[in-house]
Amino acid sequence: SYELTQPLSVSVALGQTARITCEGNNIGSKNVHWYQQKPGQAPVLVIYRDNNRPSGIPERISGSNSGNTATLTISGAQAGDEADYYCQVWDSRTMVFGGGTKLTV
Amino acid sequence: EVQLLESGGGLVQPGGSLRLSCAVSGFSFSSYGMNWVRQAPGKGLEWVSGISASGHTTYYADSVKGRFTISRDDSKSTLYLQMNSLRAEDTAIYYCAKEEAVGIYCDYWGLGTLVTVSS
Repeated sequence: SYELTQPLSVSVALGQTARITCEGNNIGSKNVHWYQQKPGQAPVLVIYRDNNRPSGIPERISGSNSGNTATLTISGAQAGDEADYYCQVWDSRTMVFGGGTKLTV
Repeated sequence: EVQLLESGGGLVQPGGSLRLSCAVSGFSFSSYGMNWVRQAPGKGLEWVSGISASGHTTYYADSVKGRFTISRDDSKSTLYLQMNSLRAEDTAIYYCAKEEAVGIYCDYWGLGTLVTVSS
């Protein structure tokens, strides 16, 4: 079965740039999606199909995907960005999630 | 406004059964696939099951295959998850989520319903 690997935690200073990686075998050939989840809340889609933002998601949140690594980038990190982030792909009739990364600002 | 509201969670003994429901509004339910995703306490997201817009195709995680059944009633705009032979490891918040077909991801999520399997 396909596996996605994320770092357990990433720390970033206020106003700086955070990068959260998601590693998978040839993940660059797949569509990667990212979700943000704050404590006690449901997940929220923040990036779909590698680098597209749903309406209401700020431009400082972006995504990229190539080779074996997809990356979620949060520029000008704010206190409100502190959350868990999950990457996700569709593979072999299953929806696969990464283990999640806790972003600390 | 898109809304998804899960219900049916609760405390059940190991080996027992439970049926979750997810009532939706704000979009054409019959036009979209739907999914159930769960999250055990303090853990990450785990996809459980999905169903196509037509209802003819269903998908299951290996961990629930043969025990859980997903279904939908388009006349009621409601998604279901029948859970049988429940185990302690099925304890989790269960979210229903609307699926966007191109790329297959979940663009809208409900607030979740808690299922606790314990004696």
